[in-house]
This record gives sequence, C-alpha cells and structure tokens, in this order.
Amino acid sequence: EPEVTQTPSHQVTQMGQEVILRCVPISNHLYFYWYRQILGQKVEFLVSFYNNEISEKSEIFDDQFSVERPDGSNFTLKIRSTKLEDSAMYFCASSMQGAGAEAFFGQGTRLTVV
Amino acid sequence: AQTVTQSQPEMSVQEAETVTLSCTYDTSENNYYLFWYKQPPSRQMILVIRQEAYKQQNATENRFSVNFQKAAKSFSLKISDSQLGDTAMYFCAFMKHYGGATNKLIFGTGTLLAVQP
Repeated sequence: EPEVTQTPSHQVTQMGQEVILRCVPISNHLYFYWYRQILGQKVEFLVSFYNNEISEKSEIFDDQFSVERPDGSNFTLKIRSTKLEDSAMYFCASSMQGAGAEAFFGQGTRLTVV
Repeated sequence: AQTVTQSQPEMSVQEAETVTLSCTYDTSENNYYLFWYKQPPSRQMILVIRQEAYKQQNATENRFSVNFQKAAKSFSLKISDSQLGDTAMYFCAFMKHYGGATNKLIFGTGTLLAVQP
C-alpha cells in the first residue's frame, strides 16, 4: 500500500543551524502539507502546496521556513536558522484531491534543537 | 476562525467494550468536513472516519461510528467491540468545504485511548 515516507525520523541540530526535513508523498497525489506538533500540544498546520506553489501558510510559517518540491517526488521543509522553539514533531501529508479528501500522513520527523 | 476541542485527554476501555470519544468544534461555516484520525504508538496518523456536514446521516465504518450533531457542533466517535489494536491517540479534525487550493486540517489536542485486556 502506498505511503508517505519521511526522513530522518529524528534529527538533532544546534540552534541557528539550517535543517531540511524530507518527505516523499504518495506518487499520484497533488496536494502536499506540513504540520507540526510541539510536545503536549495540538497538531498545527504550517503550509500547503499545490501546483508547485504555496497555496496557504499559517502565521507560524515565517521567513525562516521554506518548502520545495525539487524533483517531482520529494517535498522538503527547510528551516533556515533553527530556534529552540522549533523543537517539535513535523508531519508531512499528501492528498489526491482537494476539499474533503483524506490526507495521508508520514510517520513524522522529531526535530530537537539544542 | 475554526477551533476543535477534545475535552478528554485520556480514556481507558476494556477489550470488547464500547467507548465514546468527544469532540466539539466552533465554526461559522455551513458546509465542512469532520474527521477522526488515529495515531498508534510510533506510527503515522490514519483516517478512521469522515463526515460531510451537509449529510444528515452519521458515518459508519465497521466498528467505528460517529454521532454528528450539527446544531450542537458536536462530533463524537463511538468504538464498539474495542480491540487491543485500537490503542492509539485519536484526533478530531475540521476542514472547510472549500478552501481553494488548500485543504488544511484543524486538529483538536487528541484523546489517548488505552484498551485494556
């Protein structure tokens, strides 16, 4: 069964360093998302991506964040200069269709900023 | 803005028993979708059940059913004949009916369900 895969499963980085979180969505999906969950808090929407551009971003998704789909299969989230408060579980998701469609999630990348 | 509230951080149920997880939401939209997602330990979130707000009939998927009360903005999940494999974090989520090229989910804080043998 097709699934969304994320790498790495856990990443530790120094404050101020750049990190890239990688995701391979399901191959025929058209909509891509990043969510994050700070420990003990709710899952929060970061950004959605469709037709090779950002379709919506939350207020969390500031200039330190960027997304890219460089080769038609990977979908990456870059954090330019990590802060302690960026420590969270980051989930990638994809869906085939738009409104009401089931989103398929990856297992997440746990990012720890020290 | 839409919000989703899950007031039960943790619940426990005996195997084979029935359990109901609560979810309320707030929105001014008339048409929208509601979801329950399940996240087993160390595994990805998977969809359990989906409800379209313009459908009066409550959604059902095998042992999982919902009680959708649109006027009360309530969307509870009932799990019948609970199994050990149902142990997971359960998230209630809201999606606008039409968000353009975005279909973001707004999640509640989750309910951790433990099924006891």
